[in-house]
Amino acid sequence: GESVGLHLPTLSVQEGDNSIINCAYSNSASDYFIWYKQESGKGPQFIIDIRSNMDKRQGQRVTVLLNKTVKHLSLQIAATQPGDSAVYFCAEETPAGAQKLVFGQGTRLTINP
Amino acid sequence: DTGVSQDPRHKITKRGQNVTFRCDPISEHNRLYWYRQTLGQGPEFLTYFQNEAQLEKSRLLSDRFSAERPKGSFSTLEIQRTEQGDSAMYLCASSPRQTGELFFGEGSRLTVL
Repeated sequence: GESVGLHLPTLSVQEGDNSIINCAYSNSASDYFIWYKQESGKGPQFIIDIRSNMDKRQGQRVTVLLNKTVKHLSLQIAATQPGDSAVYFCAEETPAGAQKLVFGQGTRLTINP
Repeated sequence: DTGVSQDPRHKITKRGQNVTFRCDPISEHNRLYWYRQTLGQGPEFLTYFQNEAQLEKSRLLSDRFSAERPKGSFSTLEIQRTEQGDSAMYLCASSPRQTGELFFGEGSRLTVL
């Protein structure tokens, strides 16, 4: 049968619109979060990060929001462009002592012309 | 190019053969990570090194897998007696710090026939 892993959450938006990609993280003790973008056949690329002492951080066309109460992270991309089409992963850094990133499943973003 | 370099980019092998992947991290990054990524999934942690010391190994890393970083610079990941379930993208990442962003390479895609 078909692998569950192939059912990647997807989001389609019109070019120029804003996108919001959501992520639920697992460990309430995680203190660092990061969003990566991965294009087909390439390794993940850093987009933006945030530490747990903040609830919002802005970059160029991107904003990350952190809600620790419900363990939720979101990535907002303003004025999407065709080059934004990719799979987006959130990752959490496990608490001190483990020092590695744990990735979520990812969301495929498609920009329609 | 001073990014993380991985070789080979693609490897096709028959079940039962051994394969070895090489990773050259960003110069002066003392932390080096190996992740595995299957289709539609986020990267899964395998192991990491601080300098030449292997500090953590995932339960995903069976006895057939071995990673080394003999001089604290490049690293190799060897898979012995490959199985079809080993087919995946093997990603290497490096970092100059104990916490924060990981810089990923483009990955080595393994196909086991």
